[in-house]
Amino acid sequence: DAKTTQPNSMESNEEEPVHLPCNHSTISGTDYIHWYRQLPSQGPEYVIHGLTSNVNNRMASLAIAEDRKSSTLILHRATLRDAAVYYCILDRGSTLGRLYFGRGTQLTVWP
Amino acid sequence: KAGVTQTPRYLIKTRGQQVTLSCSPISGHRSVSWYQQTPGQGLQFLFEYFSETQRNKGNFPGRFSGRQFSNSRSEMNVSTLELGDSALYLCASSLGTARNQPQHFGDGTRLSIL
Repeated sequence: DAKTTQPNSMESNEEEPVHLPCNHSTISGTDYIHWYRQLPSQGPEYVIHGLTSNVNNRMASLAIAEDRKSSTLILHRATLRDAAVYYCILDRGSTLGRLYFGRGTQLTVWP
Repeated sequence: KAGVTQTPRYLIKTRGQQVTLSCSPISGHRSVSWYQQTPGQGLQFLFEYFSETQRNKGNFPGRFSGRQFSNSRSEMNVSTLELGDSALYLCASSLGTARNQPQHFGDGTRLSIL
């Protein structure tokens, strides 16, 4: 399995930046790093993905370590709506399915 | 642009029955994947279809099956329902099966087995 390791939970105050870490020491050269989040009572929502270079989109930034064994999802200004479970996933197209969801990080945002 | 639509949203069945869940992907998306989410096991991959062919299958018993139609819509079927099949079943679609293509999820079908 394409395992990733994330903290079980993190907290942030509203309008502060949030850095969500992920370790993926078994990553192979062709694995893409994906981040999804799941709000209560909803399906997972795609956030961002990358291969080697840092990536930015309207939702977040993804910082990938030079050795690719870890990455960090950055929410530049947390809002209450960002409270969710965040999943860091390696997409390696294995026969067990493209996306292996671990337990993720429960992000709590305080007003 | 319409998102992934799953029907029904909620379903109650009894043990031994069978159930069929439906998923309509985003227009133009040809890959559909199914996942099961439970509090104990989290999100687990069931199977993936592309162009009406099953590409991958997770570690679930043969009671779980699926299919994809020529318009990319997909159905999954669970026969001989067991209490442990109570879960949120999620469908996700993507343009194709390439690893750099994000998957877009529906809000799921909540299946309860009595």
